[in-house]
Amino acid sequence: GAVVSQHPSWVICKSGTSVKIECRSLDFQATTMFWYRQFPKQSLMLMATSNEGSKATYEQGVEKDKFLINHASLTLSTLTVTSAHPEDSSFYICSASASASSGANVLTFGAGSRLTVL
Amino acid sequence: GIQVEQSPPDLILQEGANSTLRCNFSDSVNNLQWFHQNPWGQLINLFYIPSGTKQNGRLSATTVATERYSLLYISSSQTTDSGVYFCAVGITGGFKTIFGAGTRLFVKA
Repeated sequence: GAVVSQHPSWVICKSGTSVKIECRSLDFQATTMFWYRQFPKQSLMLMATSNEGSKATYEQGVEKDKFLINHASLTLSTLTVTSAHPEDSSFYICSASASASSGANVLTFGAGSRLTVL
Repeated sequence: GIQVEQSPPDLILQEGANSTLRCNFSDSVNNLQWFHQNPWGQLINLFYIPSGTKQNGRLSATTVATERYSLLYISSSQTTDSGVYFCAVGITGGFKTIFGAGTRLFVKA
């Protein structure tokens, strides 16, 4: 089945530094990937849709200059949290879409990246 | 936008009990998935079920798209079933997948 690899699984950084998270589709090509954010005991909130070869589409309220998304190939999307602050500490999860026979999107998720900003 | 409501929000079961989790959605969808999030945060896809009924071991799911709801059945629950169960829907004509708030399940030994 479809496998999505996400790295790193956890990261601790100092306030003001930038952190890059990678999301790879291992056995399928994903023209579209999605980045979610999850605070403790809350649901997953869609941050942005990452499109291969074009700009990401950000959800309302998500700062595109803080959360930089690059989708340079059909198997890799990266999320960079720039000038991270403690309030950016969260669980970030990526997903990639493998189309079902109906044409609908079936999401496969990475294992998530837990970011802690000191 | 589409609203996805899950119930109950919290559920405590004795090992061996059965349960039904519900997901209501406010608009037509072309995709519905049930996920289990384990204590380490990993999301495991349980079912892709935009309509109809599917079964996988002790778990089964039914989606009635015309009435805009889906049910997840857990039979003979085990402690390893503990975690959060999410329903996620894809909007017809759109590309995004929206998650419900989840049902937090704890199965006691």
